[in-house]
Amino acid sequence: GAGVSQSPRYKVAKRGQDVALRCDPISGHVSLFWYQQALGQGPEFLTYFQNEAQLDKSGLPSDRFFAERPEGSVSTLKIQRTQQEDSAVYLCASSLAGREYEQYFGPGTRLTVT
Amino acid sequence: QQQVKQSPQSLIVQKGGISIINCAYENTAFDYFPWYQQFPGKGPALLIAIRPDVSEKKEGRFTISFNKSAKQFSLHIMDSQPGDSATYFCAASDRGSTLGRLYFGRGTQLTVWP
Repeated sequence: GAGVSQSPRYKVAKRGQDVALRCDPISGHVSLFWYQQALGQGPEFLTYFQNEAQLDKSGLPSDRFFAERPEGSVSTLKIQRTQQEDSAVYLCASSLAGREYEQYFGPGTRLTVT
Repeated sequence: QQQVKQSPQSLIVQKGGISIINCAYENTAFDYFPWYQQFPGKGPALLIAIRPDVSEKKEGRFTISFNKSAKQFSLHIMDSQPGDSATYFCAASDRGSTLGRLYFGRGTQLTVWP
């Protein structure tokens, strides 16, 4: 399909481990967003890219969270020294230029920190 | 602080009935109000959206009603079907200043009984 894809779909990490979550946006979508969705809650914004530029990272909860999109397509969200409170579903969304408000979401990566 | 408040948290409706979910916001800069539908294990999918220059938008069985003065909007699902059973999120965005960042409500889990 031509939708947003994310990998892995599930990740179990021991506390203190580093993890990397990948997002492949819809082809041609220059804008890319990361959200964190805790169990039973709505998605919470983490960061936003336009092409390779990270224009907004105000939602990243700590300096353990880092995102990149070096070539303006695939993006990686990295979490260092994972903590139990990082357990959540991490959603990636993409959109066309000029229509950032119309976001198409991937299936998410469910991260469980034990 | 929750930028968008959503109620009820859960809703049970008989097949053929009307499902109504309500949301309220405070930020008058918000100018785009989408609703997302999420099935278990899937990412949110854009269902329908409205801008504040109209009071109602209808797409098939789904209708958004918008009250700008009250800063409230609601989703009505007519002739509810078991296949509509999902979690629904309202959201809001200020397209001008936050480059598409979506603020989500906490979600409503809808169950439609056959």
